[in-house]
Amino acid sequence: ETGVTQSPTHLIKTRGQQVTLRCSSQSGHNTVSWYQQALGQGPQFIFQYYREEENGRGNFPPRFSGLQFPNYSSELNVNALELDDSALYLCASSLVSGGAGELFFGEGSRLTVL
Amino acid sequence: GQSLEQPSEVTAVEGAIVQINCTYQTSGFYGLSWYQQHDGGAPTFLSYNALDGLEETGRFSSFLSRSDSYGYLLLQELQMKDSASYFCAVNPRDDKIIFGKGTRLHILP
Repeated sequence: ETGVTQSPTHLIKTRGQQVTLRCSSQSGHNTVSWYQQALGQGPQFIFQYYREEENGRGNFPPRFSGLQFPNYSSELNVNALELDDSALYLCASSLVSGGAGELFFGEGSRLTVL
Repeated sequence: GQSLEQPSEVTAVEGAIVQINCTYQTSGFYGLSWYQQHDGGAPTFLSYNALDGLEETGRFSSFLSRSDSYGYLLLQELQMKDSASYFCAVNPRDDKIIFGKGTRLHILP
């Protein structure tokens, strides 16, 4: 067990809706990263938060946004859902930003957009 | 751009040794990591190479050559539970961590 928990584990939305995914990082970890993993693909970096500030962003549109809270838990928000947003969304926490830190992944939230 | 290439599938026999290669196109990165992911599970960290050379952790070893833009994961004494997808990943200086598409390892009894 990594100590990283995500909720919900599964959810179904319709196109155009909005979704919020949540992540509780491992105790003591101040960095949270979010990834999108389509079936049969590797995780794609969405963004990273370090001490409540966005610290790096991948090639995702602005309708993907996030927050990190003082207790280092985090949210991923996706607006105006599209069919291609259907994927496993993974949260990973780590001790350091910008370095060699091991990523500790949660089990993910599987989003289906109909 | 930045990218990593690894074989999509590899098949090996239980008890044997298998090597999963990873080539990358990126400059200025901290190191190369390897993750294992079973179907329906979360990726789990296996190893990390900050410097060129071989790192050994039990049955798993990982190698990095920055001059060749190449690394590999070596799995020894394969067990059926090693059947999974394996991802190489780099953390470039801008922190936009990049994963390969993964190599699915099939193990035959």
